[in-house]
Amino acid sequence: DVKVTQSSRYLVKRTGEKVFLECVQDMDHENMFWYRQDPGLGLRLIYFSYDVKMKEKGDIPEGYSVSREKKERFSLILESASTNQTSMYLCASSWRQGNQPQHFGDGTRLSIL
Amino acid sequence: GESVGLHLPTLSVQEGDNSIINCAYSNSASDYFIWYKQESGKGPQFIIDIRSNMDKRQGQRVTVLLNKTVKHLSLQIAATQPGDSAVYFCAEKGGNYGQNFVFGPGTRLSVLP
Repeated sequence: DVKVTQSSRYLVKRTGEKVFLECVQDMDHENMFWYRQDPGLGLRLIYFSYDVKMKEKGDIPEGYSVSREKKERFSLILESASTNQTSMYLCASSWRQGNQPQHFGDGTRLSIL
Repeated sequence: GESVGLHLPTLSVQEGDNSIINCAYSNSASDYFIWYKQESGKGPQFIIDIRSNMDKRQGQRVTVLLNKTVKHLSLQIAATQPGDSAVYFCAEKGGNYGQNFVFGPGTRLSVLP
């Protein structure tokens, strides 16, 4: 079974802090993704990566950055956290070739005070 | 409790009945579709997928139907059980979405005893 592990289930941070969300997958997947999930808005893509050192902006990248130094790890960074970044953050991974499902972690519920 | 899905449409079914959850997708060029199940406090879990060269696919207690003419996807759950209570959403991939998925808003399934 694919396992996507997000480092924290719940996180509380203060406005202006730099926040790191970590994600690790154990299936050697090329693709990794970061989403945020908000009531009524569904899943929105923040950033994605198709390979090590590679990153692409998704639909809502403002206020975020990412790092992919190793194939199994994809980090989401909130450069200066703001209250409107309070949300559920979901990491996913998938194979690059062909049509393959994305596999998700259990999410990090982040609150910015 | 989990706040995702507060504004979602809800389908209530009696335990033991069949459930049908519908999804309208947006891109006629999409060629791969997935249904996910998300339980409270957890990440989305892959249920079943279907490619555009098929119109029906069956799994264990679940069937996905694809109608490309009207861009409609449905998930049928046979003999619905309390453990089926969750938010279900569809995802589409292909065309100008590249390797990324676009996710539907979801439907909350509530199983009544």
